[in-house]
Amino acid sequence: DIQLTQSPSFLSASVGDRVTITCRASQGISSYLAWYQQKPGKAPKLLIYAASTLQSGVPSRFSGSGSGTEFTLTISSLQPEDFATYYCQQLNSYPITFGQGTRLEIK
Amino acid sequence: EVRLVESGGGLVQPGGSLRLSCAASGFTFSSYTMSWVRQAPGKGLEWVSAISGGGDNTYYADSVKGRFTISRDDSKNTLYLQMNSLRAEDTAVYYCAKGFEAHNPIIYFDYWGQGTLVTVSS
Repeated sequence: DIQLTQSPSFLSASVGDRVTITCRASQGISSYLAWYQQKPGKAPKLLIYAASTLQSGVPSRFSGSGSGTEFTLTISSLQPEDFATYYCQQLNSYPITFGQGTRLEIK
Repeated sequence: EVRLVESGGGLVQPGGSLRLSCAASGFTFSSYTMSWVRQAPGKGLEWVSAISGGGDNTYYADSVKGRFTISRDDSKNTLYLQMNSLRAEDTAVYYCAKGFEAHNPIIYFDYWGQGTLVTVSS
């Protein structure tokens, strides 16, 4: 199975900050990676797919990059609504796996 | 508008069974791979199972293989998860999720249901 390791697991930041979350895969997954945002009590929301493609309706302050085994999600200027938990997901092969999550909190 | 509505969750004793349903609308259900994803209280996301459009292929996480069965009724636009031999560690919110692209057996999830809570406890 392909393991995904996110770092950091917890991030404290302020509105307006630029933040980056990293996701590392245990083996190469090409660009078969997605990022999701989840707020408490809600279902996850797709932000980025194919490592760098912004899902329709997602603000342009979100961006993704990477391929192979290392990927990043960047939020260029944090807004109050961005404080949530973020997960990466690989779809290179079954079983589909998620990273353990990065909780982004307001400093 | 795409809608996914899960039902069937509840309290069940260890060793018991439960069947979850996910009623879909707003898209050509039969063309899309559908998945179940769960989230234990306070924990991260865990993919559970997937079924290809038309139901020819099914996939399972090792943690549920042999105990859970995914199925679909394309005439009713409904996805199912039959859960047998339930354990305390199966306690979670179960989400159904729609594949992003038709006819693709493994693909990102662009729509999710609201989730249904399964609690396994005596």
